[in-house]
Amino acid sequence: GAVVSQHPSRVICKSGTSVKIECRSLDFQATTMFWYRQFPKQSLMLMATSNEGSKATYEQGVEKDKFLINHASLTLSTLTVTSAHPEDSSFYICSAGQGAYGGSTDTQYFGPGTRLTVL
Amino acid sequence: KQEVTQIPAALSVPEGENLVLNCSFTDSAIYNLQWFRQDPGKGLTSLLLIQSSQREQTSGRLNASLDKSSGRSTLYIAASQPGDSATYLCAVNTGFQKLVFGTGTRLLVSP
Repeated sequence: GAVVSQHPSRVICKSGTSVKIECRSLDFQATTMFWYRQFPKQSLMLMATSNEGSKATYEQGVEKDKFLINHASLTLSTLTVTSAHPEDSSFYICSAGQGAYGGSTDTQYFGPGTRLTVL
Repeated sequence: KQEVTQIPAALSVPEGENLVLNCSFTDSAIYNLQWFRQDPGKGLTSLLLIQSSQREQTSGRLNASLDKSSGRSTLYIAASQPGDSATYLCAVNTGFQKLVFGTGTRLLVSP
């Protein structure tokens, strides 16, 4: 089956530093990748949608200058949390879709998540 | 704005019981609905996906139904086992593969 990996699985950083999280589709090409954030005991909230070769689309309330998303190839998307603060501490999960953009019935495959702790 | 709610928020049952998890959504204009399982501190495992034109899907001891017009889905787990303990999330696809997730049901199955 389709596999999505994330790296790192866990990161601890100091306030004010930047952290990069990678999301890779290992055995398929992902036209579209999604980034979600999950606070403790809450559900997943979509942060942004990234399409290979174009700018990411951010959900309302998500700061695009703080959460930089790059989708440079069909197998890799990165999320950079810039100038991280303790309130950015969360579980970040990516997913990758196999279908073409607009293929609404296609399945998304989820990565294992990255636990970010900002001290 | 699509909102997805799951009831109950938490459920504790003895092993062997059959149980039903509920998911409701406010906007019936969905492409599909998916049920996921999430273990503590882990990512998501897809359990079942129901397209908007379908009424139900089955996989092993799991059966999911969808009533799009009333904005409801149920996940039925037969003969529950301790290994079923996890958080169960439903999510609706609102288009362009964008998923709106429910609030989750934390299930504990005791031996």
